[in-house]
Amino acid sequence: GAGVSQTPSNKVTEKGKYVELRCDPISGHTALYWYRQSLGQGPEFLIYFQGTGAADDSGLPNDRFFAVRPEGSVSTLKIQRTERGDSAVYLCASSLTGGLAIHNEQFFGPGTRLTVL
Amino acid sequence: AQSVTQLGSHVSVSEGALVLLRCNYSSSVPPYLFWYVQYPNQGLQLLLKYTSAATLVKGINGFEAEFKKSETSFHLTKPSAHMSDAAEYFCAVSSGSARQLTFGSGTQLTVLP
Repeated sequence: GAGVSQTPSNKVTEKGKYVELRCDPISGHTALYWYRQSLGQGPEFLIYFQGTGAADDSGLPNDRFFAVRPEGSVSTLKIQRTERGDSAVYLCASSLTGGLAIHNEQFFGPGTRLTVL
Repeated sequence: AQSVTQLGSHVSVSEGALVLLRCNYSSSVPPYLFWYVQYPNQGLQLLLKYTSAATLVKGINGFEAEFKKSETSFHLTKPSAHMSDAAEYFCAVSSGSARQLTFGSGTQLTVLP
């Protein structure tokens, strides 16, 4: 029974580069969430997928950030023209269905630590 | 709009002492409240959640939390701290039709021998 996995665990890149972060949700979970956790802060919501579609992308900070989930399972968070302020731990979570959070426990992965030099 | 405030970014207790981690929320509609724990290099794990069925909620590892609407609080307690409780704890809220969680900034719990 694998949990949510994220790759890579650590990513170091240079300012201006493009990065992709991958999330493998728990098998059978239809909902997937991305959060960003900056140093000393709690996770902040980025985007939520129900199946293949982005049901809520209101947390994406700007148009450099984009996420896809083409087959309704694995998701990739893409960041263009990275900036030093993008440095954070990016967390992925999945839940069985996309209903209210109180009824659908979100299971979190260990995160990808992104460092932009 | 919804938000969570965790008072005390760092809390230290002696092994066997009471653990009290504070959380206050703000929500324009009845909230759903959660406590998560994060161990180093691991994902967040749900400790307990408030669903409005009971104001005193019991979770895993001996933790419990009490919802107090008049104080807009959901403090986490454990009667007797264990060394293995050392971790970071996050309070979170979800309300209305929101699917996502809104987290507080976390409290790092240290347990002293």
